[in-house]
Amino acid sequence: DAGITQSPRYKITETGRQVTLMCHQTWSHSYMFWYRQDLGHGLRLIYYSAAADITDKGEVPDGYVVSRSKTENFPLTLESATRSQTSVYFCASHGQGASPLHFGNGTRLTVT
Amino acid sequence: SQQGEEDPQALSIQEGENATMNCSYKTSINNLQWYRQNSGRGLVHLILIRSNEREKHSGRLRVTLDTSKKSSSLLITASRAADTASYFCATDPGWSYGKLTFGQGTILTVHP
Repeated sequence: DAGITQSPRYKITETGRQVTLMCHQTWSHSYMFWYRQDLGHGLRLIYYSAAADITDKGEVPDGYVVSRSKTENFPLTLESATRSQTSVYFCASHGQGASPLHFGNGTRLTVT
Repeated sequence: SQQGEEDPQALSIQEGENATMNCSYKTSINNLQWYRQNSGRGLVHLILIRSNEREKHSGRLRVTLDTSKKSSSLLITASRAADTASYFCATDPGWSYGKLTFGQGTILTVHP
């Protein structure tokens, strides 16, 4: 399903570096989300966006920045990566109403 | 904090057997959703059950919801090796633009 793509699939970076994870969806969905998945914590919401130029914090936003200048893109930036941000990051989207989330295949980020 | 708590954490069965996974949650919901995640992939939506529904079927899947007990169960009948995956419940309170809260998941292994 090529509707939502994340890049890169794997990324290794060093502590203190800035890194941006990309997310692109082709459905023109209004809502987009970033989750991180860690053993013992399941999926936790980092940030979400209800439309272009509208973003808001989720459960674990510290250390992350998002932007949404275009409906189809929702990049996630780690301003100064820390080891605790080593995780698998998932982007997701959905249309209006109580519709299910569509997930990308994730980015596995390792911070050394 | 995780809204959904799943039980068991891991389940190992033989092909042809039924698999039952349970999810408990803490606050009021608009709907509850189940997702599947194959190793190294994103989550895929399986089924959504609304708060005014008690049971829902989709192919070999049967979901029940008991809002008085704040619990749901997912039954996979006549399981196949291809059903091997992690299964997550996710709750939607209905007022949060589709921000879902996920449980930690059940790892299902189906032996051929």
